[in-house]
Amino acid sequence: DTGVSQDPRHKITKRGQNVTFRCDPISEHNRLYWYRQTLGQGPEFLTYFQNEAQLEKSRLLSDRFSAERPKGSFSTLEIQRTEQGDSAMYLCASSTAGPSSGANVLTFGAGSRLTVL
Amino acid sequence: GDSVTQMEGPVTLSEEAFLTINCTYTATGYPSLFWYVQYPGEGLQLLLKATKADDKGSNKGFEATYRKETTSFHLEKGSVQVSDSAVYFCAPHTGGFKTIFGAGTRLFVKA
Repeated sequence: DTGVSQDPRHKITKRGQNVTFRCDPISEHNRLYWYRQTLGQGPEFLTYFQNEAQLEKSRLLSDRFSAERPKGSFSTLEIQRTEQGDSAMYLCASSTAGPSSGANVLTFGAGSRLTVL
Repeated sequence: GDSVTQMEGPVTLSEEAFLTINCTYTATGYPSLFWYVQYPGEGLQLLLKATKADDKGSNKGFEATYRKETTSFHLEKGSVQVSDSAVYFCAPHTGGFKTIFGAGTRLFVKA
C-alpha cells in the first residue's frame, strides 16, 4: 500500500470556479476524514466518513462544500463558487475503527493546496 | 464544545536542552490523546499516543502522560536534537469520533 494519496497537489483557480479534490485512503481503513489547514494553524475538521456513510459534517462547512465517498473507497471534496477565503491546504486522512492498537491513528496524505485568485 | 489549547510558539532551544510543550483539552466522553508532528516539507504523522488515564505514550525520546484529572497531555523530551525541529500538534480523539487539533507549536533547535 502506498499510503494516502491526494490529487491534485496544487490547484490555482479564479474566484467563482468550482474545484474538486480526490483522496485515495489506505485500502484497509474504513474511516476517512477531510481537514483544512491554513498557514500557522492546526488542521480544522471538515467532515468524516465511515465506509460510504458521511457521519459528521462541521458546522463551519458552508453549503458550497460537498464530499462523497460513493463506494467506501476513494472520496471527493468539491467546492463550488470558490472564494478567496477558501485558499488553504485540504488534507485527507484515513484510519481504522475498533479496539485494535492502531485504531483512530490518522494517516495523512500530502494535501491539496488550493489558491483562489 | 470540544477544544484543545497548546503552548504558543515558536519555541527556540539549544541542542540537548529539555523540552516541554503544554497541552490541555476539553472533550466529551473519554478521548484518546495523540501528538502529531509535521517536519519541514513533510505531511503530518503520528508521534505518540495514549488511550487511557495514566498511560504514557513514548516515541523517539518524546513522552506524554494522559492526566485525566487535569485534562492535560504535555509533551516532553529530555534532550532535543536539531532534527527535532518541526511543528507539534496535540490532538484528542473525541467522543464524536473525530480528532481535533491544537494550533501547533513550532520548535526550532539550534546546534
